[in-house]
Amino acid sequence: KAGVTQTPRYLIKTRGQQVTLSCSPISGHRSVSWYQQTPGQGLQFLFEYFSETQRNKGNFPGRFSGRQFSNSRSEMNVSTLELGDSALYLCASTLQQGGVNNEQFFGPGTRLTVL
Amino acid sequence: AQSVTQLDSHVSVSEGTPVLLRCNYSSSYSPSLFWYVQHPNKGLQLLLKYTSAATLVKGINGFEAEFKKSETSFHLTKPSAHMSDAAEYFCVVSDKGSGGYNKLIFGAGTRLAVHP
Repeated sequence: KAGVTQTPRYLIKTRGQQVTLSCSPISGHRSVSWYQQTPGQGLQFLFEYFSETQRNKGNFPGRFSGRQFSNSRSEMNVSTLELGDSALYLCASTLQQGGVNNEQFFGPGTRLTVL
Repeated sequence: AQSVTQLDSHVSVSEGTPVLLRCNYSSSYSPSLFWYVQHPNKGLQLLLKYTSAATLVKGINGFEAEFKKSETSFHLTKPSAHMSDAAEYFCVVSDKGSGGYNKLIFGAGTRLAVHP
């Protein structure tokens, strides 16, 4: 079974631009979560989608948004990019929403550099 | 609110010696705790998880962790380090977000170096 895939793997953008990242979960998984990893702030939860609805949200500005499609694939969008948005963006998929035993499977990440 | 504190940002051991990575947690209810490992330029991989079934949890690659409620700790250990264990390790607690438990709170990470 294929793992979580993220595209693109690397992106370079300039300040003020917007960017869209894509995540394809493991086949059959219905929940997708997004995390931002930076040297200064570490790994932080962005949001979670299940059945095309945002179920959980982290403490990020409204410039960060996402969506999920009927096939469970998810995209996240960052508008008006700032230098501080440079980070590794990780996507994780889970079989079900909620539940303490749900293991999250992570993709390799998209490395975003904002110049 | 849930939180985890990893007590060491860097740990250095010699190959063949024991590994101890320390983690304390704070939780207002019975927590679910995890250890994840991240190798350079790779995604995160689950090493083990505690979900109240047993306090001593065995994971992959010879790692194990013990949940100690009285000490609010969940330290990761391995009897004998291997060069391939060099990576960054994250202690993680699952938070009860509005939609369930899928929100993970990560510690700052411990970078493990293994020397020959």
